[in-house]
Amino acid sequence: NAGVTQTPKFRVLKTGQSMTLLCAQDMNHEYMYWYRQDPGMGLRLIHYSVGEGTTAKGEVPDGYNVSRLKKQNFLLGLESAAPSQTSVYFCASSRGSGNTIYFGEGSWLTVV
Amino acid sequence: QKEVEQDPGPLSVPEGAIVSLNCTYSNSAFQYFMWYRQYSRKGPELLMYTYSSGNKEDGRFTAQVDKSSKYISLFIRDSQPSDSATYLCATQKTSYDKVIFGPGTSLSVIP
Repeated sequence: NAGVTQTPKFRVLKTGQSMTLLCAQDMNHEYMYWYRQDPGMGLRLIHYSVGEGTTAKGEVPDGYNVSRLKKQNFLLGLESAAPSQTSVYFCASSRGSGNTIYFGEGSWLTVV
Repeated sequence: QKEVEQDPGPLSVPEGAIVSLNCTYSNSAFQYFMWYRQYSRKGPELLMYTYSSGNKEDGRFTAQVDKSSKYISLFIRDSQPSDSATYLCATQKTSYDKVIFGPGTSLSVIP
């Protein structure tokens, strides 16, 4: 099993550009999450989904949008990238809210 | 004040040492406590999961929770170079709440 797969792994964007991070999980999990990880800040929840067709805001949702059209996929969009969005982004999934969270390997995004 | 705090390190120990990693939290409502291990350029993976106060042991790893002082510890016995990673503590109020992560402590075990 691949688990949680994220693409792309690395990307450099110019300020104002848009992009989409793709996440796929093959564990048939209901819950999916997008986190960002910054030095000294830990993992912060951007958006999450409790099932196909649902999305909800997390701790730091501004500047991001998400979609969960299929159960196995969770997309994170940046409409107009800003340097403050330079970070490592992790997608994750879990069977339910009280279950183990499985993380992808991360996507390194730099906005110049 | 951050909800979950950890000393970022780096912590460097010789192989075979006993390692103590610590975490404090601010909200006494937290009941579920986790330790995640994150290797360089990888995603975190769950290492230990405990509920309320007490100890939980799994091989060389022991998780300890002291709710009276809002203190969480992870002990690693007979540390190995393969234990070199960043260790994130995390908490939840209930199993239905979001997980709050600490910033992580970087550990290096020197052969």
